[in-house]
Amino acid sequence: GNSVTQMEGPVTLSEEAFLTINCTYTATGYPSLFWYVQYPGEGLQLLLKATKADDKGSNKGFEATYRKETTSFHLEKGSVQVSDSAVYFCALTSPGSTLGRLYFGRGTQLTVWP
Amino acid sequence: SQTIHQWPATLVQPVGSPLSLECTVEGTSNPNLYWYRQAAGRGLQLLFYSVGIGQISSEVPQNLSASRPQDRQFILSSKKLLLSDSGFYLCAWAKKRDRTLEAFFGQGTRLTVV
Repeated sequence: GNSVTQMEGPVTLSEEAFLTINCTYTATGYPSLFWYVQYPGEGLQLLLKATKADDKGSNKGFEATYRKETTSFHLEKGSVQVSDSAVYFCALTSPGSTLGRLYFGRGTQLTVWP
Repeated sequence: SQTIHQWPATLVQPVGSPLSLECTVEGTSNPNLYWYRQAAGRGLQLLFYSVGIGQISSEVPQNLSASRPQDRQFILSSKKLLLSDSGFYLCAWAKKRDRTLEAFFGQGTRLTVV
């Protein structure tokens, strides 16, 4: 079946530090992969996505590359800011899905200190 | 542009009381609609999805039900709440973009059952 395994948190970093949040998945075929972000007290917002192998999604300084050989989609940012403090969710949809059902990881809490 | 509205933002209800959470989408027609729940310390779990009026599919057996009385309205209900129903409930809709279905989330409802 489909599943997402995400690095356990919480992650605490100083401002301008490098961020990596690991995400690996299990799925048949080529799923679409997503990173969502949840700021305190809010719903989820799409941060970036990739729909095929070797694609790189990027947004707001965050990047993630779809690695089929390692079934991974790790999130990275070169220099985090206090405003990046949030919960980050890795997710996938099944290949060819017409339902759009998302399979989520458990989420990783990121706290950035000034 | 499309928007999704979800209310109320927070709710405190006693055990055994009924529940009704409402979600509406504007600016699109015949969307796929979803209810997710985020329990404390856990990831997001899909509760229900709907591909059309009156069409509801349940992912997990539980104390909750869903209805879609109009094309862009999705309601989550319970006749008698349990303590275990506490959590953060998120409504979402999906549209096709870049060869995949992309989900957009409401602001969420924080439900505390006491």
